[in-house]
Amino acid sequence: GENVEQHPSTLSVQEGDSAVIKCTYSDSASNYFPWYKQELGKRPQLIIDIRSNVGEKKDQRIAVTLNKTAKHFSLHITETQPEDSAVYFCAASMRYGNKLVFGAGTILRVKS
Amino acid sequence: DGGITQSPKYLFRKEGQNVTLSCEQNLNHDAMYWYRQDPGQGLRLIYYSQIVNDFQKGDIAEGYSVSREKKESFPLTVTSAQKNPTAFYLCASSRPGQGPEQFFGPGTRLTVL
Repeated sequence: GENVEQHPSTLSVQEGDSAVIKCTYSDSASNYFPWYKQELGKRPQLIIDIRSNVGEKKDQRIAVTLNKTAKHFSLHITETQPEDSAVYFCAASMRYGNKLVFGAGTILRVKS
Repeated sequence: DGGITQSPKYLFRKEGQNVTLSCEQNLNHDAMYWYRQDPGQGLRLIYYSQIVNDFQKGDIAEGYSVSREKKESFPLTVTSAQKNPTAFYLCASSRPGQGPEQFFGPGTRLTVL
């Protein structure tokens, strides 16, 4: 079945620096890759997603890049702020069943 | 998102008891999902339903049961057969015909005493 690996598991950056989180997936049929942000005790919130027909997508300070050949995608956050501190999850769609497989998550800490 | 509600927010259960977690959505979404979240782990799929009166097991269905009698509702029962039920449970929904995005409810934290 589909497997999604996410790195790093924790990431500390100084306020204003950039943060990059990487995920790899195993199923070449995956065609949808969302990123979720989860604050402590709250629900995951979709922050950006990308489909397999594009290589990059930006939304203000966040961007996602996709390399279909290598089967990996990355989340980029620029000019980090303390409110960016949270757990970030990547996911990949499965071949059948409208399902997502999630990575294990990255704890991002932005130090002010 | 705001159209998905879960209750209760916190739930305490004694060993050997069955409990049912509620999930309701008013988004007119066809598909609904239940995930379990443990510390340091991602979201693991318990059950999902793509249409009323139909549902399928996910990766960790043992010890759980669901029903989908109405489009708006997808309750999850945690049975006494679930060996380690203490976790954060998240419900999600999507409208496959309009895209694969899944939107989550606020979650229920279940603690076994």
